[in-house]
Amino acid sequence: DIQMTQSPASLSASLGETVTIECLASEDIYSNLAWYQQKPGKSPQLLIYDASSLQDGVPSRFSGSESGTQYSLEINSLQSEDAVTYFCQQHHDYPYTFGAGTKLELK
Amino acid sequence: QIQLVQSGPELKKPGESVKISCKASGYTFTDYAMHWVKQAPGKGLKWMGWINTYTGKPTYADDFKGRFVFSLEASASTANLQISNLKNEDTATYFCARDPRLTTEGIFDYWGQGVMVTVSS
Repeated sequence: DIQMTQSPASLSASLGETVTIECLASEDIYSNLAWYQQKPGKSPQLLIYDASSLQDGVPSRFSGSESGTQYSLEINSLQSEDAVTYFCQQHHDYPYTFGAGTKLELK
Repeated sequence: QIQLVQSGPELKKPGESVKISCKASGYTFTDYAMHWVKQAPGKGLKWMGWINTYTGKPTYADDFKGRFVFSLEASASTANLQISNLKNEDTATYFCARDPRLTTEGIFDYWGQGVMVTVSS
């Protein structure tokens, strides 16, 4: 199985800041990486797919990038509603696997 | 608008079975694959597998072979997950999630609200 190592597990940032969350794949996943946002008690929502493609309706302050097997989610101009949990997921090969999640909190 | 509406919470005893439904609306059900994802309390997400909503062919992740069955009621635009011989470790929220492709991209663009299944004696 492809392991997705997500970091950090938790992150504290101020309103208006830029934050970065990372995921390291255990092997090449050829840009087949998605990012999801999950609010407490709710289902996840797709933010980014294919490493850098923004899902329809997602604010442009969210962006994705890659460098080798390292993938990043950047959130610019942090808003209060962004202080929730984020997961990465590889969609290259079965079984599709998720990172352990990053909980983003406001300072 | 596209919606996936799942059935309500379940409380079961070990050894019992449960069937969860996921009713789709706002799109042609048989044009898009459907996945199932497990989230244990306070934990991360685990992909269980997917079903081709046109052919009805299911694919299961290794950890979900045997006691788990994906099925369809295509005429009702509904996907089902049945779990038999329930164990305490099956206590979790189960999500259905749509794939943008029928033959799976492995991307989950719309999600149901989740069904909490509690297994307790």
